[in-house]
Amino acid sequence: GAVVSQHPSRVICKSGTSVKIECRSLDFQATTMFWYRQFPKQSLMLMATSNEGSKATYEQGVEKDKFLINHASLTLSTLTVTSAHPEDSSFYICSAPDRQANEKLFFGSGTQLSVL
Amino acid sequence: QKEVEQNSGPLSVPEGAIASLNCTYSDRGSQSFFWYRQYSGKSPELIMFIYSNGDKEDGRFTAQLNKASQYVSLLIRDSQPSDSATYLCAAGGEGGKLIFGQGTELSVKP
Repeated sequence: GAVVSQHPSRVICKSGTSVKIECRSLDFQATTMFWYRQFPKQSLMLMATSNEGSKATYEQGVEKDKFLINHASLTLSTLTVTSAHPEDSSFYICSAPDRQANEKLFFGSGTQLSVL
Repeated sequence: QKEVEQNSGPLSVPEGAIASLNCTYSDRGSQSFFWYRQYSGKSPELIMFIYSNGDKEDGRFTAQLNKASQYVSLLIRDSQPSDSATYLCAAGGEGGKLIFGQGTELSVKP
């Protein structure tokens, strides 16, 4: 199957700093990528839809100025958590849809963010 | 609000038994349904997907869909300790978005 690469896998940062997470589709082009967040023992919650060459679409309640998304190419989407706070500590996962059946998602390996 | 509901468990079954995982969804417009397996600290991996009413079998896994009852299930036959994980049910939404349930933790005891 298609491969989605996500980096870093784990990051620890101080409160107030910004963290960038990269998501790459390695062997296919992804015009759309989805960013999810998952708190311990909870489900994946969709944060935003990243669209190549245009603005991201954010889900209700997600601050677009705090979670900056850039999808500058067909193989790369980035999520930047700006001015991170301890409550932003979570598991962030990107995904890209299968081009043949776009409801089948290929997930990145996830990024565990810990904000001190 | 569109929702997918699962029993969080944990569901404990002995090795070799059948594990039955259940899921209900609220949006009658959903046409596709997915079961993902997630090990602790890892991202989800797709186990099964089903679009039509009835059963779909793949190896030890069988997905069942009943659109009238808005119910999806996953059966795992001959459960193995390596099947111990959290299983996430998801329903397809608009624009390729998936709505996930909270997941059911499965523990298979040797």
